[in-house]
Amino acid sequence: AQSVTQLDSQVPVFEEAPVELRCNYSSSVSVYLFWYVQYPNQGLQLLLKYLSGSTLVKGINGFEAEFNKSQTSFHLRKPSVHISDTAEYFCAVSDLEADKLIFGTGTRLQVFP
Amino acid sequence: ETGVTQTPRHLVMGMTNKKSLKCEQHLGHNAMYWYKQSAKKPLELMFVYSLEERVENNSVPSRFSPECPNSSHLFLHLHTLQPEDSALYLCASSLRVEGGYTFGSGTRLTVV
Repeated sequence: AQSVTQLDSQVPVFEEAPVELRCNYSSSVSVYLFWYVQYPNQGLQLLLKYLSGSTLVKGINGFEAEFNKSQTSFHLRKPSVHISDTAEYFCAVSDLEADKLIFGTGTRLQVFP
Repeated sequence: ETGVTQTPRHLVMGMTNKKSLKCEQHLGHNAMYWYKQSAKKPLELMFVYSLEERVENNSVPSRFSPECPNSSHLFLHLHTLQPEDSALYLCASSLRVEGGYTFGSGTRLTVV
């Protein structure tokens, strides 16, 4: 069965610094991968997704992620963060057999001025 | 506005009350989900409906009762809740897994 691990529960960073949020998955078959963002008291919003093709995926708000099959990773990056990027970020992997998404436990990104 | 609308946004209810949460989507999706999100806990999948049929029920207490009258609407009926049921309840919908899920803004439930 598929699973997702987000090792960092919190990532503090200063404004305009780069950031990487880590996501590793386990699966014996091909997968689809997703990153979602959740602002306080809001639902989850899709940032980007990897289905196939180019391993570098660009999303909204200047975020990008790279699919690395050999390392079973899908880390999220942004070269320069803003205060407004403070939010919870969730990685998710598809479970094609069950036709559903499996979510990680989330990483809280806190951007300081 | 994501295309998935949840009402009410906030709800305070006593332990003896009965209330319902509503979720509505007009995206043409054929699957709908209820999630519970408590502070400092992972997202908990509660129920899954596919083509209006319940396909998953993750050991949720019977004081939570879902209803899916058609592919556009999903309800969560609540009765005799406990304070630990206070949480953000999220609804989501999907068409195919590769499209991901579209989430509503959630209902913040407080049980007093």
